Amino acid sequence: DADVTQTPRNRITKTGKRIMLECSQTKGHDRMYWYRQDPGLGLRLIYYSFDVKDINKGEISDGYSVSRQAQAKFSLSLESAIPNQTALYFCATSDRGTEKNTGELFFGEGSRLTVL
Amino acid sequence: GEDVEQSLFLSVREGDSSVINCTYTDSSSTYLYWYKQEPGAGLQLLTYIFSNMDMKQDQRLTVLLNKKDKHLSLRIADTQTGDSAIYFCAESIDDYKLSFGAGTTVTVRA
Repeated sequence: DADVTQTPRNRITKTGKRIMLECSQTKGHDRMYWYRQDPGLGLRLIYYSFDVKDINKGEISDGYSVSRQAQAKFSLSLESAIPNQTALYFCATSDRGTEKNTGELFFGEGSRLTVL
Repeated sequence: GEDVEQSLFLSVREGDSSVINCTYTDSSSTYLYWYKQEPGAGLQLLTYIFSNMDMKQDQRLTVLLNKKDKHLSLRIADTQTGDSAIYFCAESIDDYKLSFGAGTTVTVRA
């Protein structure tokens, strides 16, 4: 089983709909992240969380919200989806604060969202 | 600002060496990373280098770091078809996040 699991893997929705992308991890890491990938733009940070009570906006948080339900679960919501939110979304955990502490990110396989 | 720049495409013949270049902006980055993304998959760490190192070698991979010029490169020796992927350079920012480049799509031709 994957250490970082995202659901759904693919979703097509319409403008104005509410969408939730879910992420769960078995790494035991405190830090979790949501990134968005667009061709030619690389990965951009949407939100990040250091623990259940510590949630922070990234560089492109407008139009998104998150919920850290438990150490292992971090979900991303689009309250009213719009076409320019069509992208590939990645959840990740970090080994910061662990014994290894290199800042390595461990990614899920991605959730491809299409907003029509 | 936080801008990691890398070229978007690289085509290389099987068996040749590939060199992917990257420039970064944060001179205080403690670690710099190379990630690989295969089609339909998430990113996986390929290798990383600590900022006080100039070079790191790991089997077919060689990472060179020039801190003065803020330049990072990844060399893949004896490139194989399985090396076809998108390669991302990333720098650590303020100990809590990674800033990624746009990714270099490497195509290996026979």
